[in-house]
Amino acid sequence: DTAVSQTPKYLVTQMGNDKSIKCEQNLGHDTMYWYKQDSKKFLKIMFSYNNKELIINETVPNRFSPKSPDKAHLNLHINSLELGDSAVYFCASSQPGTSGTGEQFFGPGTRLTVL
Amino acid sequence: GDSVTQMEGPVTLSEEAFLTINCTYTATGYPSLFWYVQYPGEGLQLLLKATKADDKGSNKGFEATYRKETTSFHLEKGSVQVSDSAVYFCALSSYSSASKIIFGSGTRLSIRP
Repeated sequence: DTAVSQTPKYLVTQMGNDKSIKCEQNLGHDTMYWYKQDSKKFLKIMFSYNNKELIINETVPNRFSPKSPDKAHLNLHINSLELGDSAVYFCASSQPGTSGTGEQFFGPGTRLTVL
Repeated sequence: GDSVTQMEGPVTLSEEAFLTINCTYTATGYPSLFWYVQYPGEGLQLLLKATKADDKGSNKGFEATYRKETTSFHLEKGSVQVSDSAVYFCALSSYSSASKIIFGSGTRLSIRP
């Protein structure tokens, strides 16, 4: 029944490693997002895909590469992890309406810790 | 560009106190306005929303009214509970924000028993 799911929930890794976070939504939405939340709870949008097409890329280092194999999935791959990448990463989805964007539905988050 | 400003936290109240978390926005046109809540260890979930001026969103005893004249969407609750302890985000979406939701910086609320 989970609307937006992410795996893994926790990810602890060494600096320099490459890791991926997966996201799936079963709401039939066309648009999916990745956000980064820092320790002060500030939310920053990273990417957005609409029907597998990239529509938002918010000045994120190119070590971060999103991949959308279909509109229900948006995965995030991170190369050469750095200490500053430690954060909680949230996936979200929405169905834009005719009067502007609709509300977004968030996954439970992936807490990434880089040692 | 579009932006959202909300009061800084943390806000600490005693149980049954009255809550107000202020939120003001800057946007062109007629944005939709939202309050999201993030409970400890969880993702954000929509608490309430309003899509046009003078609309009142309400849920779980929380209310917020879309005030175009003051560009505000303040969150209120008459009697808070310990279970309301969370981080609250004011947000807006509009055509000019290009498929994005613009979030405020979040306000941490702690309720003492």
